[in-house]
Amino acid sequence: GNSVTQMEGPVTLSEEAFLTINCTYTATGYPSLFWYVQYPGEGLQLLLKATKADDKGSNKGFEATYRKETTSFHLEKGSVQVSDSAVYFCALRQKTSYDKVIFGPGTSLSVIP
Amino acid sequence: NAGVTQTPKFRILKIGQSMTLQCTQDMNHNYMYWYRQDPGMGLKLIYYSVGAGITDKGEVPNGYNVSRSTTEDFPLRLELAAPSQTSVYFCASSRLNGYTFGSGTRLTVV
Repeated sequence: GNSVTQMEGPVTLSEEAFLTINCTYTATGYPSLFWYVQYPGEGLQLLLKATKADDKGSNKGFEATYRKETTSFHLEKGSVQVSDSAVYFCALRQKTSYDKVIFGPGTSLSVIP
Repeated sequence: NAGVTQTPKFRILKIGQSMTLQCTQDMNHNYMYWYRQDPGMGLKLIYYSVGAGITDKGEVPNGYNVSRSTTEDFPLRLELAAPSQTSVYFCASSRLNGYTFGSGTRLTVV
C-alpha cells in the first residue's frame, strides 16, 4: 500500500544552520507530494507541494524537489530561524476518486538561538 | 476569516459519556476529513466525506460516527467515550490543492 517515511526526530539545530528532513514514499503511479508544518498548539498548514516529477515546491525559504527515481521529497532550508521550530509532515495524495492524503509520522524540529 | 472552524477547543469527558465535535468550513469544499493525532504518532484518518450525504470509514473508525447533511458541516460523534480516545482531533477540508486544517480539539477521557 501507499506510505510515507520520514527521518526520525527530534532534530535540534542552531540558528542559521542548514536543514534537511528526509522523506521517501511508496506509491503506485504519480502521486502529488506535500510538506505540512504544525506550530505548537496549532493545526497543520500546507508549506509547499509538487505535483509531478522534477517539480520543485518552495515557500518561506523552504524547498523540496519531487524525485521520481529515488521516490523522495526531502525538505531543505538554507538558514533556519527560531521561528521555524515546529513539526514537519511529509504527505502524498493519490489521484484517486477522492482527495485522500497519507501523512508521514512527522519530524520535530527545534531551533536554538 | 475563511477556513475550518472546530469547537470546542478543549474537553474533558468521563468514561461512557458521549459528545459531538463540531466542524464547519466556509470554502465550499466537497471533501472533509477527521483525523486524530496521538503524541509522536502522526495523523490517523477516522472518517472522511466526499460530499453531502456521503461518508466512509478511514483507518480507525471504531468508537466514532459521522454525518454530512450539508457541504459546510461534518460533526464527529463519540457515543461511549473510552480512555483510548484521549487525543487531539483535527478536522480538514480540501478541493485537490491541499488540505485546510482546523485548529484542533484536545479531548481527555478520564
